Amino acid sequence: GESVGLHLPTLSVQEGDNSIINCAYSNSASDYFIWYKQESGKGPQFIIDIRSNMDKRQGQRVTVLLNKTVKHLSLQIAATQPGDSAVYFCAETVSDTGRRALTFGSGTRLQVQP
Amino acid sequence: DTEVTQTPKHLVMGMTNKKSLKCEQHMGHRAMYWYKQKAKKPPELMFVYSYEKLSINESVPSRFSPECPNSSLLNLHLHALQPEDSALYLCASSQDATAGGYTFGSGTRLTVV
Repeated sequence: GESVGLHLPTLSVQEGDNSIINCAYSNSASDYFIWYKQESGKGPQFIIDIRSNMDKRQGQRVTVLLNKTVKHLSLQIAATQPGDSAVYFCAETVSDTGRRALTFGSGTRLQVQP
Repeated sequence: DTEVTQTPKHLVMGMTNKKSLKCEQHMGHRAMYWYKQKAKKPPELMFVYSYEKLSINESVPSRFSPECPNSSLLNLHLHALQPEDSALYLCASSQDATAGGYTFGSGTRLTVV
């Protein structure tokens, strides 16, 4: 069951600022990573992905950085907007096995103040 | 069509009821998944189907029974659930040959009373 008073880590930023959300992963064999955005009452929405042969990938207003040495992933959101407020999850998998299933990190709540 | 569609969106059931959750995708994905998500927690994997065959069962209790009638459909049959099974149940699909294209549905919010 859930722990009473359990809270997601929260990042609070001002509208227009840049946001950086971090994620540590544990499986050194993971070679494919995805960032998802989840709004209240909805399913996870794909933001950006990266494979382990890259260390940086850019999308529209978002950048993902991968540091395999320390098993760390980050999501940078430029010019954060109120519509970016949501819970963000990183997810990892090992793509060349039969598992082909994502394992999610614990999540970070992003609150954008107008 | 780039969506995963789940029905119903909300479900309230008693502990003696039998109900089913449905999931459908028409992206040609050959892997489909069920995840369970409790409030303020990340999604947790329950089952994986690959080419309509069950490939992973993450030690899920037998009161949850998955079924994959064809490559586009995935069902989760529910029987004799407990209140602690109340959660958001998410369906996802992905391409087979690569690890790409993971797409999630909006989920079914299940309440067991």
